[in-house]
Amino acid sequence: DTGVSQDPRHKITKRGQNVTFRCDPISEHNRLYWYRQTLGQGPEFLTYFQNEAQLEKSRLLSDRFSAERPKGSFSTLEIQRTEQGDSAMYLCASSWPFTGPEQYFGPGTRLTVT
Amino acid sequence: KQEVTQIPAALSVPEGENLVLNCSFTDSAIYNLQWFRQDPGKGLTSLLLIQSSQREQTSGRLNASLDKSSGRSTLYIAASQPGDSATYLCAVNTNAGKSTFGDGTTLTVKP
Repeated sequence: DTGVSQDPRHKITKRGQNVTFRCDPISEHNRLYWYRQTLGQGPEFLTYFQNEAQLEKSRLLSDRFSAERPKGSFSTLEIQRTEQGDSAMYLCASSWPFTGPEQYFGPGTRLTVT
Repeated sequence: KQEVTQIPAALSVPEGENLVLNCSFTDSAIYNLQWFRQDPGKGLTSLLLIQSSQREQTSGRLNASLDKSSGRSTLYIAASQPGDSATYLCAVNTNAGKSTFGDGTTLTVKP
């Protein structure tokens, strides 16, 4: 069990640039979740997938944000035309609900928009 | 809309003390509740998960309780150690696994 991995761990970008993050869930997990966490706050739900289907999106996920999970394995989260308010930790989690609903989190990608 | 509140926001205790962290939620129609630990700049580590039908779960020095009808959960840490210093987050989950988190309690255990 290699756990949930995320890449990159840190990203510094200039305002207006596009960024893409990757999440690799635990291999047998069919659910994958994205959260955003700002300093001093708890994580906020963004979206989740069951296999390749995106089943729910938060209203926090503006039209500049898009997430995909094309083959039901890894997922990408893209932010277009980044703004300073996008600076946050982006967390990915996965779960296999049939053996237990517990979510396992990755280490996160810290985004800084300058 | 589910709202989760954690009190206190910060707590400092001497090593060896027993302590209780509190979590309250507004909608009792939850599937389960999960407690996490987060070290600075790191991801979340799951500590305990309580199903909605359960009243408590224990792991080592940790005990979590759930009172769904009153919308409350507590995390009890026995014989605290400096290594327990971290932020503790409570999350309530729907049956789809979508989590609503509190803002956490930052614990400092002084040697």
